[in-house]
Amino acid sequence: QSALTQPASVSGSPGQSITISCTGTSSDVGGYNYVSWYRQHPGKAPKLMIYDVSNRPSGVSNRFSGSKSGNTASLTISGLQAEDEADYYCSSYTSGSTLVLFGGGTKLTVL
Amino acid sequence: QLQLQESGPGLVKPSETLSLTCTVSGDSISSSSYYWGWIRQPPGKGLEWIGSVYFSGSTYYNPSLRSRVTVSVDTSKNQFSLKLRSVTAADTAVYYCTRHIYVKMVWGQGNLVTVSS
Repeated sequence: QSALTQPASVSGSPGQSITISCTGTSSDVGGYNYVSWYRQHPGKAPKLMIYDVSNRPSGVSNRFSGSKSGNTASLTISGLQAEDEADYYCSSYTSGSTLVLFGGGTKLTVL
Repeated sequence: QLQLQESGPGLVKPSETLSLTCTVSGDSISSSSYYWGWIRQPPGKGLEWIGSVYFSGSTYYNPSLRSRVTVSVDTSKNQFSLKLRSVTAADTAVYYCTRHIYVKMVWGQGNLVTVSS
């Protein structure tokens, strides 16, 4: 199965809001409410920011929110901060024996 | 608090088998309803799921790697492992072990494995 589709890059100024999309199919993103978003700084392991489409783990800022419409999930970051500059990956549960799909990643630049 | 720690050789020769172990602390592999999995990231590239084993022993693999991969559990040591056979330079990556339920993942810190003669 193909990876989920994310934009290669997005950018925004401090204080602004940005949205990153993650497009799949009815067999993954559209079929289950099991989409997660991860933030990865250079040289570090990915960190869970959103799970089950729109839930924030304890300790993650409420500036991060997730949603889904049809086969596309979205991550919105409001009040951009310099520390938000990183790579962001979406992941979805999928049917069959494959189990897990990742998006190709989106590089967020804070201008 | 759950901690995952990868261990294994940092250098593997082409055509040989890459073997990594993940030691779990703060949870029991055999008693919790989680998947225990491996994910890799080639230098400068994105994340790729390799495979996972459910606590019951059922295994799930990325179709593109299925013919070369085995993920297994050693409950006596509270560890799970990855074996990737017939490696090439394209298998050079940081390998992460994870505990996950669906795609809600807790990650280890990662282990860089380079395939080179």
